This record gives sequence, C-alpha cells and structure tokens, in this order.
Amino acid sequence: SQKIEQNSEALNIQEGKTATLTCNYTNYSPAYLQWYRQDPGRGPVFLLLIRENEKEKRKERLKVTFDTTLKQSLFHITASQPADSATYLCALRMDSSYKLIFGSGTRLLVRP
Amino acid sequence: GAGVSQSPSNKVTEKGKDVELRCDPISGHTALYWYRQSLGQGLEFLIYFQGNSAPDKSGLPSDRFSAERTGGSVSTLTIQRTQQEDSAVYLCASSLGWNEKLFFGSGTQLSVL
Repeated sequence: SQKIEQNSEALNIQEGKTATLTCNYTNYSPAYLQWYRQDPGRGPVFLLLIRENEKEKRKERLKVTFDTTLKQSLFHITASQPADSATYLCALRMDSSYKLIFGSGTRLLVRP
Repeated sequence: GAGVSQSPSNKVTEKGKDVELRCDPISGHTALYWYRQSLGQGLEFLIYFQGNSAPDKSGLPSDRFSAERTGGSVSTLTIQRTQQEDSAVYLCASSLGWNEKLFFGSGTQLSVL
C-alpha cells in the first residue's frame, strides 16, 4: 500500500542546534515533495518544494534533500529558534495527479 | 482578499443535521482543494477543483459529502446527515494552478454532537 511516514514523536532540541525531520514514502513515484509548517489552530504554510531531479534546496536557514533511491526527504532547520516550534508536514504529488498527499507531520519543540 | 477565507470558523451541530462550509480562495487562483484534518492527524484529501469543475473527487468519504464551486471562486462543502465521525477541521486551500504551492485558510472546526 502507499504510505507517507513522518516521525509521530515530537522532536525536542536545544535552541541553536540543527533540527532534522524525516519524510519516508513507499509505493509512490513523486514528481516533487513540498514541506509545510502548521501552527496550532492555523492552516499549513508552504515552506519549500523540491523536484525529483533535484538533490537539495535551500532557503535561508532551511534545507531540504530528496533521495528517490531511499524514497526519503530530509528537512533541516539550522540555528533553530523557539519560534521554529511547530508541526512540519511533508506532502508529495505524483505526475499526472492533482492530489497533494500529506504525511501526518512531526512536531518540533525548540527549547530556549 | 489577502488570503484564503473560510467560514464559519467553528460549527457545532447535532447528529443528522446538514452543514455547509464556505471557502473564499485568493483572487485569481484557479485551483481549489478541500482537506479534512482529524485531531493529531495529517491532512486527508477530499476534492480538487480546477475552475468550476472537479476532476478529482476521489477523497469524498461518502455520498453524504458534496462540494461545488461557482464563478471559479467561492466553494461550498456540504455534509448531509452529519455523523459524529465527521467531526474534524475542514481546510480549504487554493493555488495559481494544480502544480503550484497551496495557500490554506485557517479551517472550519466542525463538532457533531
């Protein structure tokens, strides 16, 4: 069956450290992956998109990698801050599909 | 408007009643999506609109759920004969095209008693 898996346990790190979140998928061949941030009571907010032919994408303190062999995307936040505390969702879309399919998200807690 | 607007923000209803949820997408966005998010869960795809047509409604969980979009803008998600398992946050998102990033509203929290 098709699955997108994100670590359901919260990631708890110290301010200033690098946070690394994982998104694994099975039985999909995504055209691209997107990462979103969701705060309590709000809708998700788009962060980054990485395509199947790209290995890495960066935006300010954010970095995303995409390994189609491992079927995995890693999302990194460097120099993390308490304001980065939120739930982070990965989402993928396959070629010729309209759906953007979301994982269940990983909660990140950054301690001051 | 500046962003995707959803109304109401909260809706409490009795089991068996019908409810209508409204979504106002960002002006000019041709693609519109409805998702459902249960407590602590990820987003469950419901339906996708391109303009006024819905080429993908594969996520609607039963025939009690329907949605329409008029004028390529406002969309309404209707749930008939609500059940307790329908309780969730219903999120609407719009994008410039089907292959673009999504902009989400803040959702409608539906509680069926």
